[in-house]
Amino acid sequence: TQLLEQSPQFLSIQEGENLTVYCNSSSVFSSLQWYRQEPGEGPVLLVTVVTGGEVKKLKRLTFQFGDARKDSSLHITAAQPGDTGLYLCAGAGGTSYGKLTFGQGTILTVHP
Amino acid sequence: DAGVIQSPRHEVTEMGQEVTLRCKPISGHDYLFWYRQTMMRGLELLIYFNNNVPIDDSGMPEDRFSAKMPNASFSTLKIQPSEPRDSAVYFCASSLSRALPFFGPGTRLTVL
Repeated sequence: TQLLEQSPQFLSIQEGENLTVYCNSSSVFSSLQWYRQEPGEGPVLLVTVVTGGEVKKLKRLTFQFGDARKDSSLHITAAQPGDTGLYLCAGAGGTSYGKLTFGQGTILTVHP
Repeated sequence: DAGVIQSPRHEVTEMGQEVTLRCKPISGHDYLFWYRQTMMRGLELLIYFNNNVPIDDSGMPEDRFSAKMPNASFSTLKIQPSEPRDSAVYFCASSLSRALPFFGPGTRLTVL
């Protein structure tokens, strides 16, 4: 069974601070996804990383895939209250990208 | 554009009752997934269909759970009889071919 360990579970910071969320696995995934989920809604895809060492940027968010394709990180620069939410990493493998293995999630709270 | 539609959004029932959750995938999508989210276990894949045929139901917790997809635009997840430990948010997701899935808003199930 492929498992994804996400850390930290909870993060409470002030507006303007930087933060990093980690996602680690003992297995290799064909791709790794980061999702954001708000209360009462389903997860929404932020980014997919496929190549080892890949770095993707989405405004103030930077995503990195480890060289061995087993770990990933999400870095947010100058966090804002609107960044508050549940962040999930998910690994894809097998015949369908929809068959995802999710990490436990990181609940981020950004205080004004 | 209509996304994945799930009904009901909230369901409260008593232990032993039958519960039926419904999903309408995005039109044209050929993969449909049922996920369950709990605080303890996070998001877990229960079952997925391709072209209305169940492909992998290894995540279905027990015989009390069953899922059907009678046509390309409708799927149900049934729990009979329901138990308090089934309380969770159930998400339906759909995708086109092997692309990443789009998630619905979820059904919050509470079994008393």
